[in-house]
Amino acid sequence: SQKIEQNSEALNIQEGKTATLTCNYTNYSPAYLQWYRQDPGRGPVFLLLIRENEKEKRKERLKVTFDTTLKQSLFHITASQPADSATYLCALPLRGSTLGRLYFGRGTQLTVWP
Amino acid sequence: DAGITQSPRHKVTETGTPVTLRCHQTENHRYMYWYRQDPGHGLRLIHYSYGVKDTDKGEVSDGYSVSRSKTEDFLLTLESATSSQTSVYFCAITAQDEQFFGPGTRLTVL
Repeated sequence: SQKIEQNSEALNIQEGKTATLTCNYTNYSPAYLQWYRQDPGRGPVFLLLIRENEKEKRKERLKVTFDTTLKQSLFHITASQPADSATYLCALPLRGSTLGRLYFGRGTQLTVWP
Repeated sequence: DAGITQSPRHKVTETGTPVTLRCHQTENHRYMYWYRQDPGHGLRLIHYSYGVKDTDKGEVSDGYSVSRSKTEDFLLTLESATSSQTSVYFCAITAQDEQFFGPGTRLTVL
């Protein structure tokens, strides 16, 4: 199995700053890693996928890094806005699975205050 | 939202009663999943399906069964609901390594 740890349950930052969320895993290195956003009362929404041979991936104000040596992914939101407030989940695939099975972290609740 | 709907969206039931939750998708995806989400535990996989009549257990399958008689429908059944099954249940599908989730069902077992 895989154990996933996300740095903290809650992160509070001021608007305009960069939010950095951490996802650490303990066992095998996955073929890829994903980040999801979840708003209260709604299902998670896929944001980004980064593969093991990619060091960094960007999408608009989002940036994800993947360090297989440290067994860690960092998720950055630059120029953060109050609308970015949500819970962010990282997810890793089950080792060797071709059936899309994922392990999810517990999430980090981000609050961006004006 | 990949055309995923869940029903009911909310349900309150009593301990010992059977409960069936339905997940319906409109885009002919092969893989479907049922998760539960609880404070302090995050999302945990209950059962999944890789085709019609093809299902398998996830991490927390005890007390749950599933059926998939049509591509578009994946049913989750609690044969005899217990208070520990009070949770929010999400259905999901996989498309090109991304998972798309339904809106969730909030189940309360009294």
